[in-house]
Amino acid sequence: GQNIDQPTEMTATEGAIVQINCTYQTSGFNGLFWYQQHAGEAPTFLSYNVLDGLEEKGRFSSFLSRSKGYSYLLLKELQMKDSASYLCAAPQTGANNLFFGTGTRLTVIP
Amino acid sequence: GAGVSQSPRYKVAKRGQDVALRCDPISGHVSLFWYQQALGQGPEFLTYFQNEAQLDKSGLPSDRFFAERPEGSVSTLKIQRTQQEDSAVYLCASSLDTNTGELFFGEGSRLTVL
Repeated sequence: GQNIDQPTEMTATEGAIVQINCTYQTSGFNGLFWYQQHAGEAPTFLSYNVLDGLEEKGRFSSFLSRSKGYSYLLLKELQMKDSASYLCAAPQTGANNLFFGTGTRLTVIP
Repeated sequence: GAGVSQSPRYKVAKRGQDVALRCDPISGHVSLFWYQQALGQGPEFLTYFQNEAQLDKSGLPSDRFFAERPEGSVSTLKIQRTQQEDSAVYLCASSLDTNTGELFFGEGSRLTVL
């Protein structure tokens, strides 16, 4: 089967750094995605990792370890607008759709 | 428009009513997906179209759910005889090609069944 685990909620302070972890189990690996979803809005693409290592994109970075089935999203210099749900997703085994985790709801406090 | 458009944004239905939710994907996008998202949960896959062909409907929860994309562009998700457990946000997403890549989501249709 396929499974994605991530924490349900996290809280962090404005200006700080936060790391949101994701572990996954899949029979075949075709990359790992992170999406951001503000309350009541559409999920929007943040990153896609297919190779091991860290990929940096401005204040957001994403890390992947295929051998450990582990990824994290790193958010630096947190801003209030970063309060949102962060969804970890992987291609569904043997299908064309993405399989999503339950999402991590991040609250940034002053 | 430039993005995925869904309508209606909000729909209230009485239990037993039929509803139809529309998705207008990004022009030229081959793949179209419907997802169901319950409050506080991640999106759950319902069905997938490649152009007008419905290639995967394994996520549809019952035969009350039906989706179509007759001309390979606009899609409609129909729910017959709605039940309270159908209350959720229904998200549509499209992608440019058939390989699993970046999905572009609409803002969703929030269905409330009373």
